[in-house]
Amino acid sequence: KAGVTQTPRYLIKTRGQQVTLSCSPISGHRSVSWYQQTPGQGLQFLFEYFSETQRNKGNFPGRFSGRQFSNSRSEMNVSTLELGDSALYLCASSLQGYEHEQYFGPGTRLTVT
Amino acid sequence: AQTVTQSQPEMSVQEAETVTLSCTYDTSESDYYLFWYKQPPSRQMILVIRQEAYKQQNATENRFSVNFQKAAKSFSLKISDSQLGDAAMYFCAYRSFDNYGQNFVFGPGTRLSVLP
Repeated sequence: KAGVTQTPRYLIKTRGQQVTLSCSPISGHRSVSWYQQTPGQGLQFLFEYFSETQRNKGNFPGRFSGRQFSNSRSEMNVSTLELGDSALYLCASSLQGYEHEQYFGPGTRLTVT
Repeated sequence: AQTVTQSQPEMSVQEAETVTLSCTYDTSESDYYLFWYKQPPSRQMILVIRQEAYKQQNATENRFSVNFQKAAKSFSLKISDSQLGDAAMYFCAYRSFDNYGQNFVFGPGTRLSVLP
């Protein structure tokens, strides 16, 4: 069974631009969560989607948004990029979301200049 | 809100020796899950071991075992017979038993070096 995939793996954007990251979960997994990882703040939860609905949300500004499609693939969008948005963005999938472990993708390294 | 603390930013162990990574957490819930994740330099997070809070028996997975002390809110990871491939960042994580509220809460991580 294929693992969680994320595209692109690396991205360079300039301040003010917007960016869309993509995540394909493991086949059969309906929950997709997004995390931001930085050296200073560590791993922080962004949001979780389940069956095309946002089920949980972390403490991030409205510039961070996401969606999930009927095939469980998920996208995350960041508008009006700031230098502080430079991070590794990790996607994780699980069967139902709350009862078991999550399986992580390799991440997308976003650099904002 | 739940918090997870890992008091050892870095640790090292000699190959074939045993090392214990510490994790404490704060919660008012009685049922929850605890996990240890490993993130090697390649950056792919990998689940090492999980523990359900309602289970008294400590989880074991091959060379990895935990010491779960619910009353003390402590969840340490023991790695026996350490191997070079064990070198990585290790994250302790907490997850609520129900689906209402915050998702996973991760600790700041412990960087483990394995010396040949």
